[in-house]
Amino acid sequence: NSKVIQTPRYLVKGQGQKAKMRCIPEKGHPVVFWYQQNKNNEFKFLINFQNQEVLQQIDMTEKRFSAECPSNSPCSLEIQSSEAGDSALYLCASRPRLGGSSYEQYFGPGTRLTVL
Amino acid sequence: GDQVEQSPSALSLHEGTGSALRCNFTTTMRAVQWFRKNSRGSLINLFYLASGTKENGRLKSAFDSKERYSTLHIRDAQLEDSGTYFCAAEAGGYKVVFGSGTRLLVSP
Repeated sequence: NSKVIQTPRYLVKGQGQKAKMRCIPEKGHPVVFWYQQNKNNEFKFLINFQNQEVLQQIDMTEKRFSAECPSNSPCSLEIQSSEAGDSALYLCASRPRLGGSSYEQYFGPGTRLTVL
Repeated sequence: GDQVEQSPSALSLHEGTGSALRCNFTTTMRAVQWFRKNSRGSLINLFYLASGTKENGRLKSAFDSKERYSTLHIRDAQLEDSGTYFCAAEAGGYKVVFGSGTRLLVSP
């Protein structure tokens, strides 16, 4: 099904520490989304990219996260100072394009972050 | 804001039976996608629909943008169908909204 790769699968950090996770989108997919899924299965959109450019991000991401999708390197999402409330599953999804009639997303397996 | 109401939240089926999951949308959505989260936590793509219906094996999905709903029908349920099913819909402006999930348990 999906060929999106996310690393690491599990990440444990102390409060105040940086937490960095990576995503390799499917080949040929220029669009990348990051979501946070909490223990209640609720998805929260964090940020999206088209190629290297940030398209949208929520306020929390702008203030507390550092994210990039450099060319020829994995995309990354880094929490600058982890908080207990950041414990969640972080999902990366890639799309073949934006707009038109297709927005089908392909998800990676996620990085489960636990902040102690 | 744009919201998705997914039902039921949990469903128990015996092998060989069937049922339907539903997502109701508060606004007009451009397209809907259905996923299953498997035992390893991976989201498996089931369907993507911009309109109409699609069928794949024992699964069938429908999407009616005007009536603001989508359904996922499962027939002849098997043990391996167990998992959590999600719908996700594009509201426009790259915004995607997710249902809260349906936990399906198929028992012998």
